[in-house]
Amino acid sequence: AQSVTQLDSQVPVFEEAPVELRCNYSSSVSVYLFWYVQYPNQGLQLLLKYLSGSTLVKGINGFEAEFNKSQTSFHLRKPSVHISDTAEYFCAVSPNRDDKIIFGKGTRLHILP
Amino acid sequence: DAGVTQSPTHLIKTRGQQVTLRCSPKSGHDTVSWYQQALGQEPQFIFQYYEEEERQRGNFPDRFSGHQFPNYSSELNVNALLLGDSALYLCASSLGDIQYFGAGTRLSVL
Repeated sequence: AQSVTQLDSQVPVFEEAPVELRCNYSSSVSVYLFWYVQYPNQGLQLLLKYLSGSTLVKGINGFEAEFNKSQTSFHLRKPSVHISDTAEYFCAVSPNRDDKIIFGKGTRLHILP
Repeated sequence: DAGVTQSPTHLIKTRGQQVTLRCSPKSGHDTVSWYQQALGQEPQFIFQYYEEEERQRGNFPDRFSGHQFPNYSSELNVNALLLGDSALYLCASSLGDIQYFGAGTRLSVL
């Protein structure tokens, strides 16, 4: 069975500082990996995805993630955060294209002024 | 191009009642998936519909059922509501690839 572990439930960071949100997955087969963002009282928005190819994936809003197969990680990074990045971030895995998505428990990003 | 739309946005029901939630997929998408997100929790997969058939199902009781129409829109039905069914219900649509989510329907069961 596949699973996702987000190592931090909350991450506080000062505005304009860099941030890394950590994600590890467990799977014995190839997977598809995603990061979704959820702003307060809203649905989920896809930040970026890894399906195959280059291990460095660039997404929207200046975010990027690196797929590391040997460490089974898919950490999300942004070089400089803004107050508008305050949200819940979910790392997710899927066994196949367009298959059910299994989410991690989320990381709440707090931007400090 | 409209994205995934869900209705209603909010709903209040009483324990034991039945509820129907609706989802219109993104234009051109033929697959609809439903997720339940309890307050403060991650979304949990309920089921997925493709070509008007339930293709996959998560670990949810039979009280949760669905339907997909020829125009690919979908309904989620929940019977005999329990207090624990209170959650944000998210619909996602796709076309053999990435799932795009709607804003959700927030269901409160009193």
